[in-house]
Amino acid sequence: DIQMTQSPSSVSASVGDRVTITCRASQDISIWLVWYQQKPGKAPERLIYASSSLQSGVPSRFSGSGSGTDFTLTISSLQPEDFASYYCQQAIRFPVTFGGGTKVEI
Amino acid sequence: EVQLVESGGGLVQPGGSLRLSCAASGFTFSEYDMNWVRQERGESLEWVSTLETTGVTHYAASVEGRFTVSRDDAKKSFYLQMNSLRAGDTAVYYCARKVPGDGHGMDGWGQGTTVTVS
Repeated sequence: DIQMTQSPSSVSASVGDRVTITCRASQDISIWLVWYQQKPGKAPERLIYASSSLQSGVPSRFSGSGSGTDFTLTISSLQPEDFASYYCQQAIRFPVTFGGGTKVEI
Repeated sequence: EVQLVESGGGLVQPGGSLRLSCAASGFTFSEYDMNWVRQERGESLEWVSTLETTGVTHYAASVEGRFTVSRDDAKKSFYLQMNSLRAGDTAVYYCARKVPGDGHGMDGWGQGTTVTVS
């Protein structure tokens, strides 16, 4: 199975800050990496797919990059509504695996 | 608007069974792979199962042999039959859709249904 390791597990930041979350795969997954945002009590929502493609409707302050084993989700200017947990997922093969999550606290 | 609505969760004793349902609307259900993903309170997401449009199924090792997925395209519904339930199966269960064949993940999720095994 492909292990997905996210860091940090939590981050405390202020409005306007740049926040970076990393995700590392235990083997090469090319660009097949997905990022989800989950707000408390809500279902996850896809933010970014194929490493860097922004889901329609997602603000441009969110961006993704990386390929192979190392990936990054960046929020360029943190907004109050970005308080949430973020998860990466490898989408190259079964079993589907998720990272442990990163909680962003404002 | 894509809508996925789960139902069927509840409290069940260890060793018991439960059947979850997911009702879809707002898209051509038969054209999407369907997935179950669960989340224990305060924990990360855990993939449970995928049923492809072709009928091919995939299961997490933790549920293989105990859980069975099925779908009824005419009813636009997706199911998860859970048998021999354990305390470790306690979680919120989400159904989610995925475009077949691409590596773009799940682009639509239900609100979840809670399963408690105790």
